[in-house]
Amino acid sequence: DGGITQSPKYLFRKEGQNVTLSCEQNLNHDAMYWYRQDPGQGLRLIYYSQIVNDFQKGDIAEGYSVSREKKESFPLTVTSAQKNPTAFYLCVSRGPSYNEQFFGPGTRLTVL
Amino acid sequence: DQQVKQNSPSLSVQEGRISILNCDYTNSMFDYFLWYKKYPAEGPTFLISISSIKDKNEDGRFTVFLNKSAKHLSLHIVPSQPGDSAVYFCAASARAGGTSYGKLTFGQGTILTVHP
Repeated sequence: DGGITQSPKYLFRKEGQNVTLSCEQNLNHDAMYWYRQDPGQGLRLIYYSQIVNDFQKGDIAEGYSVSREKKESFPLTVTSAQKNPTAFYLCVSRGPSYNEQFFGPGTRLTVL
Repeated sequence: DQQVKQNSPSLSVQEGRISILNCDYTNSMFDYFLWYKKYPAEGPTFLISISSIKDKNEDGRFTVFLNKSAKHLSLHIVPSQPGDSAVYFCAASARAGGTSYGKLTFGQGTILTVHP
């Protein structure tokens, strides 16, 4: 059963802590993306990766880091440098066609 | 700089009537447009798309219209059903290479409520 998963669904973090959000796909897709959603705003691109061991900054990369050591996995670390980390984070896996953009279920991160 | 805008934060329609969701863009390099539907606490799901070489694409109850000269697209849902109630995002992409290959630029979303 192919798909894209994100974990955890809800995450709470204290200020000053780093936290890593997981994104895994078994769709054999090369391209993966991380977006952030805030109320009243569209999804904004944080980082993306078109191939293993390669990734690029998106529009709002400051305070975030990623790795792409395996095709299936694209974890996102929210560092303490991210000034406003509370948001809904969405991971996307994309196939060859633009219609093949599959979103994960999302992780809601709350900083306490 | 909001390159994709959905100026209506919300839309309320009666079941059976037409829902029209609008989206405007400013970047003339965009050549592919998508609509996504999103329920609370879930990821968006793909609904329908249109390439800039077309001005209309239809899939069942959903039709997307593209007016390139006005840099405007719209999603028509006919007839609207209560299960269509969700947030609808339009998204745009410039497929012709560049460093942002595959990147989607999203609008802010429109909350559609269909009343029984």
